[in-house]
Amino acid sequence: SAVISQKPSRDICQRGTSLTIQCQVDSQVTMMFWYRQQPGQSLTLIATANQGSEATYESGFVIDKFPISRPNLTFSTLTVSNMSPEDSSIYLCSVEASHNEQFFGPGTRLTVL
Amino acid sequence: GENVEQHPSTLSVQEGDSAVIKCTYSDSASNYFPWYKQELGKGPQLIIDIRSNVGEKKDQRIAVTLNKTAKHFSLHITETQPEDSAVYFCAAILTGTASKLTFGTGTRLQVTL
Repeated sequence: SAVISQKPSRDICQRGTSLTIQCQVDSQVTMMFWYRQQPGQSLTLIATANQGSEATYESGFVIDKFPISRPNLTFSTLTVSNMSPEDSSIYLCSVEASHNEQFFGPGTRLTVL
Repeated sequence: GENVEQHPSTLSVQEGDSAVIKCTYSDSASNYFPWYKQELGKGPQLIIDIRSNVGEKKDQRIAVTLNKTAKHFSLHITETQPEDSAVYFCAAILTGTASKLTFGTGTRLQVTL
């Protein structure tokens, strides 16, 4: 399995500001994903982070609000822009390993005041 | 697209008893079904998975069964222990395509002493 780290682990932010979340994997992977988990809810896919090209966003998520970078095969960032209290969630990155298994990072717990 | 339903939403069992969580999926083409365990404050952890060419898979105290005809799969935990207390998510996907993991709504399992 892959070892995934995220920074920061948690943050409290003011509305209108932006936060960039980092995801680091201990091995090169092709597929990296970003999810949102609202309090007490299941996981919702935000986008697939593509190395060397623009991310692929799911319905309801747009690049202006959630810009994503993927400079190499071990690292990605997700920015939550112009935050509002509704953005308070856990943000998770995941990677697809061999045989389609998907592994998750520890998550970033974001509170927007 | 795929839709995954999960039941029950909460489950309380006594230590040593068995726990069963059930999921149904809508897309008969789905062929990979992972289960995740999420403890408080942590990211989801892949605990077991099953592919559509297999009817049952077991790993120590946990097992997963798949009924392709009925399009449902279940997680079975035997001899439950307090450390099994967590939220469990099922998921489904058709691998090798552009489709993504679709998650169930989660089951909060409480193992009481």
